[in-house]
Amino acid sequence: ETGVTQTPRHLVMGMTNKKSLKCEQHLGHNAMYWYKQSAKKPLELMFVYNFKEQTENNSVPSRFSPECPNSSHLFLHLHTLQPEDSALYLCASSQEREHTDTQYFGPGTRLTVL
Amino acid sequence: GQNIDQPTEMTATEGAIVQINCTYQTSGFNGLFWYQQHAGEAPTFLSYNVLDGLEEKGRFSSFLSRSKGYSYLLLKELQMKDSASYLCAVLDSNYQLIWGAGTKLIIKP
Repeated sequence: ETGVTQTPRHLVMGMTNKKSLKCEQHLGHNAMYWYKQSAKKPLELMFVYNFKEQTENNSVPSRFSPECPNSSHLFLHLHTLQPEDSALYLCASSQEREHTDTQYFGPGTRLTVL
Repeated sequence: GQNIDQPTEMTATEGAIVQINCTYQTSGFNGLFWYQQHAGEAPTFLSYNVLDGLEEKGRFSSFLSRSKGYSYLLLKELQMKDSASYLCAVLDSNYQLIWGAGTKLIIKP
């Protein structure tokens, strides 16, 4: 039990669908992250939120849209995705962004785009 | 550019010792993390090194040499449950984690 939960755990969607991934952390952290994990590739940082403000967007296509309504919740809204977007999407949290704090991960959402 | 290198896959025998190496070239250094990730599960924190030397935590130890840009994770008395991927990540000068692609460790009886 890492204190970071993600739903759904698995998602299959067509290229014209719109769906959302949800992340919730129960650790009292102030920074939250979205990562993409593809097979045999390093984790790719997508977005960072610190105290509900987006601090980083690592050249992510606009078909991915993050939302952070409060420090405990993070969403990733998906629309008109491509098959190459199929991957494991991991959410993580840490005490703060500009620090050496450990990041704690959720179990991920396995996304398949048909 | 920034780069983290670690072997793609390693195989070891139950009860033995295995060393997983990680070399890095990054813009600045604020520490190195090791995470364990079982298939289909979340990466979980194993260790953090920021000073040179060996840190021991039960069956797992992590070593760092900043001058060589090198770290290793040492796993002793291997158990079947240690079969997992091990991820090396370096915190750069902007406090961004630079990740390696992970080492898949296979434990055989």
